[in-house]
Amino acid sequence: AQSVTQLGSHVSVSEGALVLLRCNYSSSVPPYLFWYVQYPNQGLQLLLKYTTGATLVKGINGFEAEFKKSETSFHLTKPSAHMSDAAEYFCAVTLSSGSARQLTFGSGTQLTVLP
Amino acid sequence: DTAVSQTPKYLVTQMGNDKSIKCEQNLGHDTMYWYKQDSKKFLKIMFSYNNKELIINETVPNRFSPKSPDKAHLNLHINSLELGDSAVYFCASSQPGLAKETQYFGPGTRLLVL
Repeated sequence: AQSVTQLGSHVSVSEGALVLLRCNYSSSVPPYLFWYVQYPNQGLQLLLKYTTGATLVKGINGFEAEFKKSETSFHLTKPSAHMSDAAEYFCAVTLSSGSARQLTFGSGTQLTVLP
Repeated sequence: DTAVSQTPKYLVTQMGNDKSIKCEQNLGHDTMYWYKQDSKKFLKIMFSYNNKELIINETVPNRFSPKSPDKAHLNLHINSLELGDSAVYFCASSQPGLAKETQYFGPGTRLLVL
């Protein structure tokens, strides 16, 4: 079984400021971790993922995330926010083994970027 | 060159009606999924099919029936629609063992039951 907790349903940052969106997970086996972004009235777009190997993963649009097993965390960061980053962000986990590979999502974090 | 497509994009209907949502993927993936996103934007798995066989069926009312005519299509039929069925329904696909289970999502179908 797996679960995801996203701390902070709403995060506001100023344009140019650091973006930090928090995600903690629990999983019975080594997890695969994902961040998806959803722009208004659109589908889900993959930002980045961690499966194995390097724990710091880089994604699209300047985002990156670090897998910290000891903290069961996979926080998403971006050094400098842009107005176009305003969207809903979802952290998700799936199991790395077994037949059931559905994604379990966190409750989402709405990112607002202030001018 | 849409990878995962859904039709219709918007669906407004009356309570008690029966409706279908279609999903097609051209990625050659073996596994397809249906997710429901509620009004609070919470996403939850409903079904998963692998090569036309049902492998995941979460606690979804039996008014919802997925149908997979071939591995590129996974349609969702909903009988006797209720107000609580109003949501956004997302189809997704992935290939087991490839790209580490990355799921690709369709644009969603926004269902409103009146």
